Amino acid sequence: KQEVTQIPAALSVPEGENLVLNCSFTDSAIYNLQWFRQDPGKGLTSLLLIQSSQREQTSGRLNASLDKSSGRSTLYIAASQPGDSATYLCAVRPTGGSYIPTFGRGTSLIVHP
Amino acid sequence: DGGITQSPKYLFRKEGQNVTLSCEQNLNHDAMYWYRQDPGQGLRLIYYSQIVNDFQKGDIAEGYSVSREKKESFPLTVTSAQKNPTAFYLCASSPRTESSYNSPLHFGNGTRLTVT
Repeated sequence: KQEVTQIPAALSVPEGENLVLNCSFTDSAIYNLQWFRQDPGKGLTSLLLIQSSQREQTSGRLNASLDKSSGRSTLYIAASQPGDSATYLCAVRPTGGSYIPTFGRGTSLIVHP
Repeated sequence: DGGITQSPKYLFRKEGQNVTLSCEQNLNHDAMYWYRQDPGQGLRLIYYSQIVNDFQKGDIAEGYSVSREKKESFPLTVTSAQKNPTAFYLCASSPRTESSYNSPLHFGNGTRLTVT
């Protein structure tokens, strides 16, 4: 069964720092990996989706990489801002079975001024 | 704008009562999902439906029921058999065809259910 782990569980950084969030998964048979942002009491907002054939995706200050063979993805946030404070979750969609995504527990990020 | 609408945002019920959470999408997606989120835990799959009039149990289906009579709608009923129903419930959708499994998953804004 696919297991997705996110490290660290929580992170507090000063504004302006570059930071890296980690996501690891146990089964490399995946279609894609998707990164989400969740604000308190809200749903999940999609940030980036990386297909299994891709190595990275970029959107503004966000860059996500994927190393499928080692079962790892990183989300890089450049020049962090207080507005980046949220929980970040990753999810992997498998290639077989019901194709249902499996989620990590998320990394709770606080960026303080 | 296309999206997923969950209602209500907050729901309060007495123990022993059934309650139905609404999820409507206008994205023309075939697949719809219900997740439960508890503090400090990841999203856990309750039920999913990949096509109208068909649905499957997820990892924690006990005490819940669903229907999928229309493509746009996937309501979730939390029954009195669910032992610990207080949680944040999230509905999601995605395209389903073989060629679209690389399409992103979309989420609604969630319903927070409190049972006392």
